Amino acid sequence: GAGVSQSPRYKVAKRGQDVALRCDPISGHVSLFWYQQALGQGPEFLTYFQNEAQLDKSGLPSDRFFAERPEGSVSTLKIQRTQQEDSAVYLCASEGGYYEQYFGPGTRLTVT
Amino acid sequence: AQTVTQSQPEMSVQEAETVTLSCTYDTSESDYYLFWYKQPPSRQMILVIRQEAYKQQNATENRFSVNFQKAAKSFSLKISDSQLGDAAMYFCAYTSGTYKYIFGTGTRLKVLA
Repeated sequence: GAGVSQSPRYKVAKRGQDVALRCDPISGHVSLFWYQQALGQGPEFLTYFQNEAQLDKSGLPSDRFFAERPEGSVSTLKIQRTQQEDSAVYLCASEGGYYEQYFGPGTRLTVT
Repeated sequence: AQTVTQSQPEMSVQEAETVTLSCTYDTSESDYYLFWYKQPPSRQMILVIRQEAYKQQNATENRFSVNFQKAAKSFSLKISDSQLGDAAMYFCAYTSGTYKYIFGTGTRLKVLA
């Protein structure tokens, strides 16, 4: 694959359910970012990985949010006990160098 | 704290005309990077243009150019010869060279045929 892929593209969850969002970055990209994009807003930083190390998780809204990248490639963002305010598009981006981020298409999460 | 402000929620331009999108930012850093990203309705964001703060020359990429005014902390995007495919949300973004990127709230560009 030439680009960043994310799955699922759409997810509807009932309040209280756990969800897992997957990101497949461009092969060889060391850096991986997760963003949350609310409707009509710009992306907001959630967390950053350099290879398998999570160097910053300061943007995660609560301890219900958890991200991992165990082998330094695929990453998963997990949200436990989803709430309505978690409804947003979750974007993943990878970066190979020189501040050029490649974004995935995003996962639109709707919590009902 | 660093901030990025886009004061134009929506802009319209006639096909083949020129449009300028505005962005201002606030930072105490001397070295940083500024970006314009395009997000078409399919939602996959792509990088349009990048400017390094230490470079005085304004970046250009084909029909896209920037007007970078470091003292005024202004970073506008000019799109020349607008095409229907330019219709999208445009986000201004900043990083001081760490991994944290700060995005503005976006400007929706409509291109009128």
